[in-house]
Amino acid sequence: GESVGLHLPTLSVQEGDNSIINCAYSNSASDYFIWYKQESGKGPQFIIDIRSNMDKRQGQRVTVLLNKTVKHLSLQIAATQPGDSAVYFCAENIGGTYKYIFGTGTRLKVLA
Amino acid sequence: DTGVSQDPRHKITKRGQNVTFRCDPISEHNRLYWYRQTLGQGPEFLTYFQNEAQLEKSRLLSDRFSAERPKGSFSTLEIQRTEQGDSAMYLCASSRRGDNQPQHFGDGTRLSIL
Repeated sequence: GESVGLHLPTLSVQEGDNSIINCAYSNSASDYFIWYKQESGKGPQFIIDIRSNMDKRQGQRVTVLLNKTVKHLSLQIAATQPGDSAVYFCAENIGGTYKYIFGTGTRLKVLA
Repeated sequence: DTGVSQDPRHKITKRGQNVTFRCDPISEHNRLYWYRQTLGQGPEFLTYFQNEAQLEKSRLLSDRFSAERPKGSFSTLEIQRTEQGDSAMYLCASSRRGDNQPQHFGDGTRLSIL
């Protein structure tokens, strides 16, 4: 199938290592953030979200960190697996609107 | 929860033709969104419906684009007089009512203009 994001920044990690994917968001009025995973030929898949009144949230093997001071979001994936290979997008929602603004995306490659 | 469904998955057409895509949201979601995604980019917002009302439209949505959600369930996106620049993936998403509700996406319709 077609690739998503042919010229995206790429992070290569060894299987079993931890991955950290970073995102700088643009609007200080954004109050809700989501990380999505997108595999080739598919739509973005919800991974984890965080509200601006939090600075950390954990899910299964994933953790999202939010630093509002520098408008930075990160996604940590523990014990990265081959199935984690995909393009990852952060999305921000500006409070009071229904529009989500997506970042550029990062391609994660898991090396066996 | 059967997920967001989009049809067709792929559409190839000649420049100047009209195309229509369909989106069936998750059944209990009353909000529906259309996005466009080109290679190497994140999805770009096109328009948003709450029930049958179209509440927001991006300036990306030119006069050749129209979206409807007549009964507040499925939605259609029509592009008239297609141009080369319309080639993209068209994604639909839906969410529940309320603040800070995650949007769930379908697998998109890939449009190729010859």
